Amino acid sequence: EPEVTQTPSHQVTQMGQEVILRCVPISNHLYFYWYRQILGQKVEFLVSFYNNEISEKSEIFDDQFSVERPDGSNFTLKIRSTKLEDSAMYFCASSETSLADTQYFGPGTRLTVL
Amino acid sequence: TQLLEQSPQFLSIQEGENLTVYCNSSSVFSSLQWYRQEPGEGPVLLVTVVTGGEVKKLKRLTFQFGDARKDSSLHITAAQPGDTGLYLCAGAGAGGTSYGKLTFGQGTILTVHP
Repeated sequence: EPEVTQTPSHQVTQMGQEVILRCVPISNHLYFYWYRQILGQKVEFLVSFYNNEISEKSEIFDDQFSVERPDGSNFTLKIRSTKLEDSAMYFCASSETSLADTQYFGPGTRLTVL
Repeated sequence: TQLLEQSPQFLSIQEGENLTVYCNSSSVFSSLQWYRQEPGEGPVLLVTVVTGGEVKKLKRLTFQFGDARKDSSLHITAAQPGDTGLYLCAGAGAGGTSYGKLTFGQGTILTVHP
């Protein structure tokens, strides 16, 4: 069964460094998302993306964050200058033909900022 | 801010018992999705409910979407130790907007003792 994949599974970085989290959505899906989950807290929406544009972003998704679809398969989340509070699990998701479709999640990247 | 209140937060039961998990909101959702999440992994979709009053069954799991599309429930019959895990509800399209943004409940940690 097709699935969303994410790399790396765990990323450790120093505060102030840039990180890029990578996702390969399900191949025929057109809508892509990033969520994060701080340890012990709810899963929170960050951004939705379609047709090479951001559809919606949350207040968490400030200027330090950016997303990109650099080629036909990858979808990336970049954090320009990481802060301690960026430590979380980051989940990529994709849906097929509309924002209203069911979202399928990847296994996540655990980001640890030291 | 759209909130999805999930209850109970913790549930510890014996094998064979029945249980119900609830998700409630003051917002109307276009759809509601139930996920199960294992530690350190991404949410795995169980079901999507779309129509008010809809009932879906998945073996021993029964999912219901409220008539007003503001609430949902997950009922498990004759729980088994393999049902142990974190169950999440997530609503999409709160208030008729933000169709691509899932609002998650805080989750229910279910433990089924043999």
